[in-house]
Amino acid sequence: ILNVEQSPQSLHVQEGDSTNFTCSFPSSNFYALHWYRWETAKSPEALFVMTLNGDEKKKGRISATLNTKEGYSYLYIKGSQPEDSATYLCAFNSGGGADGLTFGKGTHLIIQP
Amino acid sequence: SQTIHQWPATLVQPVGSPLSLECTVEGTSNPNLYWYRQAAGRGLQLLFYSVGIGQISSEVPQNLSASRPQDRQFILSSKKLLLSDSGFYLCAWSKDRGTDTQYFGPGTRLTVL
Repeated sequence: ILNVEQSPQSLHVQEGDSTNFTCSFPSSNFYALHWYRWETAKSPEALFVMTLNGDEKKKGRISATLNTKEGYSYLYIKGSQPEDSATYLCAFNSGGGADGLTFGKGTHLIIQP
Repeated sequence: SQTIHQWPATLVQPVGSPLSLECTVEGTSNPNLYWYRQAAGRGLQLLFYSVGIGQISSEVPQNLSASRPQDRQFILSSKKLLLSDSGFYLCAWSKDRGTDTQYFGPGTRLTVL
């Protein structure tokens, strides 16, 4: 059974502040690490797919890093805005094939004006 | 562009009744298809995936089954629902491999009473 852990479980951040949270995953049999944003009443939206140790990806004010040797990834949000409020999910793929993703429980982010 | 549909959006069913949830994808051919469930207080859990018509892989033993009668149609079923089947069901598709983004449908909220 693969174990993907995310911390913290929830986070309150003031608008304009920067924040980050963590995803830890098995360091063996790594193939890919996915980040999704899930807003209430919407479908999960893909942010990043990361495959290489040391990968760093950026999309606007959001960026992510990957350490496959120690089994963790960080997601950073710079200058948080109210529209960033969502649950952020990471998901691990160990097979490389069509088998599905193992998700963490998510970090629920609330941006306070 | 590709779109993914799920119906119904919400469903309330008595214990012991049958279930059929449908997912269809448009704008792509031979997608990988997935069923996930989020139960209360838990993360998204992969239930089934399919790489082609009639090909179903089950991730966890359960009261549910899946079928893929057509290339872009994925159905989740149960003959007799249990209380523990309540949750939010998401269908997703991807192109090929574990590095490919999975795109999620709008989901079905199932409540079993």
